[in-house]
Amino acid sequence: EDQVTQSPEALRLQEGESSSLNCSYTVSGLRGLFWYRQDPGKGPEFLFTLYSAGEEKEKERLKATLTKKESFLHITAPKPEDSATYLCAVQAEASYDKVIFGPGTSLSVIP
Amino acid sequence: GAGVSQSPSNKVTEKGKDVELRCDPISGHTALYWYRQRLGQGLEFLIYFQGNSAPDKSGLPSDRFSAERTGESVSTLTIQRTQQEDSAVYLCASSLVRNIQYFGAGTRLSVL
Repeated sequence: EDQVTQSPEALRLQEGESSSLNCSYTVSGLRGLFWYRQDPGKGPEFLFTLYSAGEEKEKERLKATLTKKESFLHITAPKPEDSATYLCAVQAEASYDKVIFGPGTSLSVIP
Repeated sequence: GAGVSQSPSNKVTEKGKDVELRCDPISGHTALYWYRQRLGQGLEFLIYFQGNSAPDKSGLPSDRFSAERTGESVSTLTIQRTQQEDSAVYLCASSLVRNIQYFGAGTRLSVL
């Protein structure tokens, strides 16, 4: 069964304190892995798509990386405005456009 | 507007009543998804529409849940005989290429 887990469940960082969020997945052939950001009371907002092991994508203070079993979202020198829930999702080769979401990591960045 | 629009933004109903939630996708997007998000939890897939193909209903939790989509436009999610466990935020997303989903702000459903 295709599955996505994320760790930690919650993370508190001081402003400027870099860290990483983990997304582990089990899927029968990965078609794509997605990272989304969700602010309270809003729908998720797309950040990155990764397709193959070794691929990396960057956007401002965020960098996403992918291996055959997991993905990391690295946050460099975070700011309070980076506080949000970060969701990982995967799409299997056999499931067309159906996407399975992980439970998310709630990030709080303290000034 | 340019984004996915959902209405109502909040809905309070009594147990046993039927509710209808609406989603207006981004114009031209062929795929439309419905998800349920319980408080503090991740997104639970409900149903997926792609163009004129038969919808993927594999995530609907019971026969009280149904959804329709008119062509490549508006979709409605209907919950019949609502139960307290149906209380959640219902999110709609649409996509066109490369499976990037664009989400609405959701409908917060409270069943009393």
